Amino acid sequence: GENVEQHPSTLSVQEGDSAVIKCTYSDSASNYFPWYKQELGKGPQLIIDIRSNVGEKKDQRIAVTLNKTAKHFSLHITETQPEDSAVYFCAANGANNLFFGTGTRLTVIP
Amino acid sequence: ETGVTQTPRHLVMGMTNKKSLKCEQHLGHNAMYWYKQSAKKPLELMFVYSLEERVENNSVPSRFSPECPNSSHLFLHLHTLQPEDSALYLCASSLRTEANYGYTFGSGTRLTVV
Repeated sequence: GENVEQHPSTLSVQEGDSAVIKCTYSDSASNYFPWYKQELGKGPQLIIDIRSNVGEKKDQRIAVTLNKTAKHFSLHITETQPEDSAVYFCAANGANNLFFGTGTRLTVIP
Repeated sequence: ETGVTQTPRHLVMGMTNKKSLKCEQHLGHNAMYWYKQSAKKPLELMFVYSLEERVENNSVPSRFSPECPNSSHLFLHLHTLQPEDSALYLCASSLRTEANYGYTFGSGTRLTVV
């Protein structure tokens, strides 16, 4: 089955700086890569996703890049704000479900 | 609210108790999932249902028993649990099980087994 690895496990940045989270996947058949944000006491919420027919997607301060050849994808958050502090999960699709990374705890220091 | 509602939000149960977790969605989704979230571990898939039929069971112990009476409701029946079963149990739904559609998660049930 699919194996998704995520780094780093924790990340602290100053407010206004950029944050980058990286994931790799193992199954070349995967073609859908969502990112989720989980705030304290809540379930994960989809923030952005990318499909294998594109290399980059942007939504305001959030962008995701995909390198199919290398089997890795990354989340970029620019101009970070304290409300960006949360745990972020990457995922890749298998046949019937998503496979998740282990999560990155992002702390934005005011 | 995300459109996926889980109850209860918190549950404390003894190892000999029987309890049930409930999940409800009215998003028109056809697939529903149970995930277990433990500290410092990836989200663990437990069960997948498509149109009320179970399509995947990830070798989950029989003390966890799912039920999907219709495409909007999903239950997880619990009995004789162990302390290591303490975790956040998340329900999710998606349009289909082909898994190239995003999931909508509920807020989870925080389960503590004493």
